[in-house]
Amino acid sequence: EPEVTQTPSHQVTQMGQEVILRCVPISNHLYFYWYRQILGQKVEFLVSFYNNEISEKSEIFDDQFSVERPDGSNFTLKIRSTKLEDSAMYFCASSPQSSGNTIYFGEGSWLTVV
Amino acid sequence: AQSVTQLGSHVSVSEGALVLLRCNYSSSVPPYLFWYVQYPNQGLQLLLKYTTGATLVKGINGFEAEFKKSETSFHLTKPSAHMSDAAEYFCAVNVGNEKLTFGTGTRLTIIP
Repeated sequence: EPEVTQTPSHQVTQMGQEVILRCVPISNHLYFYWYRQILGQKVEFLVSFYNNEISEKSEIFDDQFSVERPDGSNFTLKIRSTKLEDSAMYFCASSPQSSGNTIYFGEGSWLTVV
Repeated sequence: AQSVTQLGSHVSVSEGALVLLRCNYSSSVPPYLFWYVQYPNQGLQLLLKYTTGATLVKGINGFEAEFKKSETSFHLTKPSAHMSDAAEYFCAVNVGNEKLTFGTGTRLTIIP
């Protein structure tokens, strides 16, 4: 069964460093997402991406975050200058269409900022 | 704006007993409702979803949920718990835009 894959599974970085989290969505999907889950808290929406542009973003997704689909398969989340509070599990997800359709999640990238 | 409330952050049931995980939602428009499961060190896996039509939906691993509009609820049930059901369960709502809003999750423990 097709799946969303994410790399790295775990990354430790120093505060202030840039981090890129990578994702390969399911190949025929059109909508791509990033969510995050701070330890012990709920899963939160960060951003959705469709037709090579951001279609919706949350308040969390400020100027230090960016997303990119550099080629036909990868979807990346960049955090420009990491802060301690960015430590979380970051989930990439994709879906064939918007609203009401199943969103398929990857296994997550655990980011620890020290 | 939509929201989801999951009553009970931790639920323990004996193996073979009924599992009931509660979810209530708030939405100004007809919602799409989902239950996801997260096993330790794994991602989020869809258990079941309600979009339109039959209000009782069946999912994987013997789980089912019933959409009750009058109660704004979408509780998850399984008649007989199995040890492999131990995981964290998340209820989520989508209201026609592109994001899922999740509840805080319920950790299910199965007692042998």
